[in-house]
Amino acid sequence: QSVLTQPPSASGTPGQRVTISCSGSSSNIGYNTVNWYQQIPGTAPKLLMYSNNQRPSGVPDRFSGSKSGTSASLAINELQSDDEADYYCAAWDDSLNGSVFGGGTKLTVL
Amino acid sequence: QVQLVESGGGVVQPGRSLRLSCAASGFIFGTYGMHWVRQAPGKGLEWVATISYDGSNKYYADSVKGRFTISRDNSRNTLYLQMNSLRVEDTAVYHCARDLDSGVTGPFDLWGQGTMVTVSS
Repeated sequence: QSVLTQPPSASGTPGQRVTISCSGSSSNIGYNTVNWYQQIPGTAPKLLMYSNNQRPSGVPDRFSGSKSGTSASLAINELQSDDEADYYCAAWDDSLNGSVFGGGTKLTVL
Repeated sequence: QVQLVESGGGVVQPGRSLRLSCAASGFIFGTYGMHWVRQAPGKGLEWVATISYDGSNKYYADSVKGRFTISRDNSRNTLYLQMNSLRVEDTAVYHCARDLDSGVTGPFDLWGQGTMVTVSS
C-alpha cells in the first residue's frame, strides 16, 4: 500500500489528452512539492516534472503538472506512442521523514 | 559524462549482508544529496534511504531502518548502502539517485541503471 495513491492504469489514443492523478495527505503533498517520474520498462526512471509544475530541460511542453491541496495531477497533451510508460508521483513526507512514491500508473497508448 | 553506476548486487541468503556502491562521475559529487530507491520485480518504486551532501544527515524507510546503512565517501565520489539481515522481501533492483541540489527532499534528477539484489535460500 503506497502512501500516495495513483490509478493503476490509464490509456488514450494518439493525439488525445490524458491526465494521471496522485492523492496524498497534509504531511506530504499538502505541505511539499510533487515530482513526477517516467519509467519505460527495463530502464531507469527519468525525472519528468518537479516542484509541481516545472519541466526539466528536454521534457516537451506537452507535459504539465499541477497541485491543489493534497492532490496533484500530470497531464499529457497530444499523446504519442512513445509516451507509453509507467508514471510515478513522489513527494517528501514530513511525518515519515522520508520520500514517498505513488504506486505508479501504467499508461497505454492505444 | 554525468552518470551514476551501481555495483555490488548479487544473490545472497536470508540473514546475510551485502554492500552496494554507486560511483558518480561528471559532477561535483560532494555538493549533492543522494538517495537509494529500489524496485521489486514487477512492482513500483520504493524509497530506501537518503544522505545529505556532507553525510551529516541520514534518513531511512521504516522497512529498512536498523538493518541498512547509507554512507558516502566524497573523496572517492562514491555512495554506499550496507545491507544487513537481508530478507526475501528485500529482493529488488537498487538504484542510486542524485538530488536536484544539496537538499534531501528531492526531486531525484539523475538515476543509475541499478543493481539487482536477490535474497533467496
